Amino acid sequence: ILNVEQSPQSLHVQEGDSTNFTCSFPSSNFYALHWYRWETAKSPEALFVMTLNGDEKKKGRISATLNTKEGYSYLYIKGSQPEDSATYLCAFTSDRGSTLGRLYFGRGTQLTVWP
Amino acid sequence: DAGVIQSPRHEVTEMGQEVTLRCKPISGHNSLFWYRQTMMRGLELLIYFNNNVPIDDSGMPEDRFSAKMPNASFSTLKIQPSEPRDSAVYFCASTKTWREGRTQYFGPGTRLLVL
Repeated sequence: ILNVEQSPQSLHVQEGDSTNFTCSFPSSNFYALHWYRWETAKSPEALFVMTLNGDEKKKGRISATLNTKEGYSYLYIKGSQPEDSATYLCAFTSDRGSTLGRLYFGRGTQLTVWP
Repeated sequence: DAGVIQSPRHEVTEMGQEVTLRCKPISGHNSLFWYRQTMMRGLELLIYFNNNVPIDDSGMPEDRFSAKMPNASFSTLKIQPSEPRDSAVYFCASTKTWREGRTQYFGPGTRLLVL
C-alpha cells in the first residue's frame, strides 16, 4: 500500500482568506498526482492532474504545484468563497504497470469557508 | 458524453437481504473501480477491473461481497447477505489507463442503508 498524507485534516477560514493544503506521496515510481474536490453528498470531481516535476496548474482561484523529487504537492485557494467549502483529496498514481491506473488517495483536507 | 452511471441512487434494505449495485462506466474507458465511503475509513478501494478482468480485490471486506464485469459497459457489486455495517456510500469510477494522467471519473454513488 502506498501512503499518501494530507495536511491539515480540516481548515476553517473566513471568506476572502487565502489558504493552502499539503499532500505528500512516495517520490519513487511516480506517474501522476491528482487533486479532487469533493462536496458533501456529491461525488469526487477531478480538479487537476500533474505528471511532471515543477508542474503548476490553475483553475480560476485554485492552483496547484508539484515537486516529485521530494514527494509533495500544494493546493492553493486565493480569496476563498463559501462555495469552495468541500473536502480536497489528493491521489497518487504509480508507474508500476501492475497498478494499472489505481489511485492511492489521501484522507483529504476538509475546508469550511465562513461568510 | 454521459458520465459514469450508477443505480440505484439510494437503497434501503433489511439485514440478510441481497443487495446489487450497478455501474455503467464512461464509453471507451477500460478500467473500472468500486469504492466505499465510510466515516471511519474515508474512501477505500474495494476492487478494480482492467479490460473486464478483476485485477485486485484485496479491498473487498469479506466473502459476502462479490463483483463482476461481464462486459465493457456494465459492472455489478453484490452483497449477500447484507449487514448493518455495510451501510455506506458506494462509488464506481472509470478511466482510460492509456490516457495521460489516468484521471478517474466518479459516478454519483449509491447510498446504502441496511437496517
